Amino acid sequence: KQEVTQIPAALSVPEGENLVLNCSFTDSAIYNLQWFRQDPGKGLTSLLLIQSSQREQTSGRLNASLDKSSGRSTLYIAASQPGDSATYLCAVNNQAGTALIFGKGTTLSVSS
Amino acid sequence: GAGVSQSPSNKVTEKGKDVELRCDPISGHTALYWYRQSLGQGLEFLIYFQGNSAPDKSGLPSDRFSAERTGGSVSTLTIQRTQQEDSAVYLCASSFDGFEAFFGQGTRLTVV
Repeated sequence: KQEVTQIPAALSVPEGENLVLNCSFTDSAIYNLQWFRQDPGKGLTSLLLIQSSQREQTSGRLNASLDKSSGRSTLYIAASQPGDSATYLCAVNNQAGTALIFGKGTTLSVSS
Repeated sequence: GAGVSQSPSNKVTEKGKDVELRCDPISGHTALYWYRQSLGQGLEFLIYFQGNSAPDKSGLPSDRFSAERTGGSVSTLTIQRTQQEDSAVYLCASSFDGFEAFFGQGTRLTVV
């Protein structure tokens, strides 16, 4: 059974810092991995999707990497801003058309 | 539509009543997912649709929960004889053939 773990559970940093959020999964035979952001009381916003054949994806200040063999993904946020404060969720699915399995998230707080 | 739309955004119901939650996926998306997020908890998978059929219902917590999807588009999640433990945010997502998933803003259900 696929399990997804995110470390740390919470992170507080001052504005301007670069930071890394970690995601690990137990079954390396994934189809894709997706990073989401969730603001309090809101739904999930898709940030980046990495297909199993890819190693990384970039969008603006965000860069996500994928190492299937070790069952790990990292989300790198450059030059963090207070507006980045949110919960970041990692999710994988093992085959096309199956449920995304989520980690419990990392709650990020960026202070000005 | 432009995004996944869920209605109502908030629902307060009395214990024992039935409720229906609606999800309008992004036009053309073949896959539709329902998740539940309880306060302070991670996302719990409920059911997945491919077109109108539901190949994976493994997450439905009891036979009080059911869902249908008609015309390969709108989906309704029905909870019969609601209990207080059903209180949560119910999130719907859609994707095209298992690619990037997009979430709605959720329905916050409160059972009193």
